[in-house]
Amino acid sequence: KQEVTQIPAALSVPEGENLVLNCSFTDSAIYNLQWFRQDPGKGLTSLLLIQSSQREQTSGRLNASLDKSSGRSTLYIAASQPGDSATYLCAMGTGGFKTIFGAGTRLFVKA
Amino acid sequence: EAGVTQFPSHSVIEKGQTVTLRCDPISGHDNLYWYRRVMGKEIKFLLHFVKESKQDESGMPNNRFLAERTGGTYSTLKVQPAELEDSGVYFCASSRGGGPSGANVLTFGAGSRLTVL
Repeated sequence: KQEVTQIPAALSVPEGENLVLNCSFTDSAIYNLQWFRQDPGKGLTSLLLIQSSQREQTSGRLNASLDKSSGRSTLYIAASQPGDSATYLCAMGTGGFKTIFGAGTRLFVKA
Repeated sequence: EAGVTQFPSHSVIEKGQTVTLRCDPISGHDNLYWYRRVMGKEIKFLLHFVKESKQDESGMPNNRFLAERTGGTYSTLKVQPAELEDSGVYFCASSRGGGPSGANVLTFGAGSRLTVL
């Protein structure tokens, strides 16, 4: 069974702190790994996409890594800001065109 | 380019009634997907269209759900009759292509929140 697990489920940090969100998946034959952000009442915004042949992707203060052998991905957020408060979702793209989502990590950055 | 558009943003209906959700994908995207998130659980795959054909509908929960994509453009998802457990957020996504090369990058809509009373 293909599963995606995200730890922690919720996280509260002071502004300016660097933080890491964790994602683990059960299928080493993934095609890609996406990190999304969801704000309350809003849709999903794609943050970073890592292809199976890649090890990491960077966008601004965000860096995502992928380790297929261990079935793990991390999302690193540098110098967190209150505007980063949202739910972050990890999603595994499979060969069958399905995308398997984790339950998400709710992040709250305190000013 | 315009994003994925979903309508309505929120629908409140009574148990037993019918609701139809609509999704307009990004122009040129042959692949269209429906997902849903119920009761705080993970977002789950419902089905996948390639143009007007259903490629994979293994995630559809039961025969009260009917998805169509006539003409390969917009798609509708009808729930008839709606039950309490159908409450949740229904997301639509589209992608240009797919395959091992990883072109299968999904763009999601804002979702349609369904509340069944």
